Amino acid sequence: EVQLVQSGAEVKKPGESLKISCKGSGYSFSTYWIGWVRQMPGKGLEWMVIIYPRDSDTRYSPSFQGQVTISADKSINTAYLQWSSLKASDTAMYYCVRHTTTFFDYWGQGTLVTVSS
Amino acid sequence: EIVLTQSPGTLSLSPGERATLSCRASQSVTSSYLAWYQQKPGQAPRLLIYGASSRATGIPDRFSGSGSGTDFTLTISRLEPEDFAVYYCQQYGSSPLFTFGGGTKVEIK
Repeated sequence: EVQLVQSGAEVKKPGESLKISCKGSGYSFSTYWIGWVRQMPGKGLEWMVIIYPRDSDTRYSPSFQGQVTISADKSINTAYLQWSSLKASDTAMYYCVRHTTTFFDYWGQGTLVTVSS
Repeated sequence: EIVLTQSPGTLSLSPGERATLSCRASQSVTSSYLAWYQQKPGQAPRLLIYGASSRATGIPDRFSGSGSGTDFTLTISRLEPEDFAVYYCQQYGSSPLFTFGGGTKVEIK
């Protein structure tokens, strides 16, 4: 059974750094693109970024390029999303997604990030 | 950038009724690049339809997708209580690689 299990909720202050994680299981982690989708409170879905764990090739949405960094450790089947300096506007639910061909077939349970002073 | 516009924003229907949701693209979308997702409150989205008309694993046959070019439709033939949720369309293409529509909420009338 394919599973994407994300790290727990985070509460941070503006300016702080953060790294959230997503562990894949039940499939060949290295050979599927994996990425992140943002959902701000009460809003819709926004695709952010994907990575191919086998060679760490990445694709960023222009809206998120330079704002976040994706990485993956194929030895432990885990992908990460990190911020170097959080803003209040980063408050959102972040979903880990597995990308196959042209869509996202599996979703993690979500990680709620709250940024507040 | 391809923009997806979903309508209506909210659909108020009763269980047993037929739901027709629209997703219109600002430019032509390859049919195989159009997907639909369902999101219930407090849950992650789940894949319903890919390739415009192929149901994902485990999705009941009351859900169907159709369309081509710039106009796509998700139809729920007879609404069950568990179908009241928000539905998103998504396309795959050039930069950005993926875009989502704004969503349609199907609520109980």
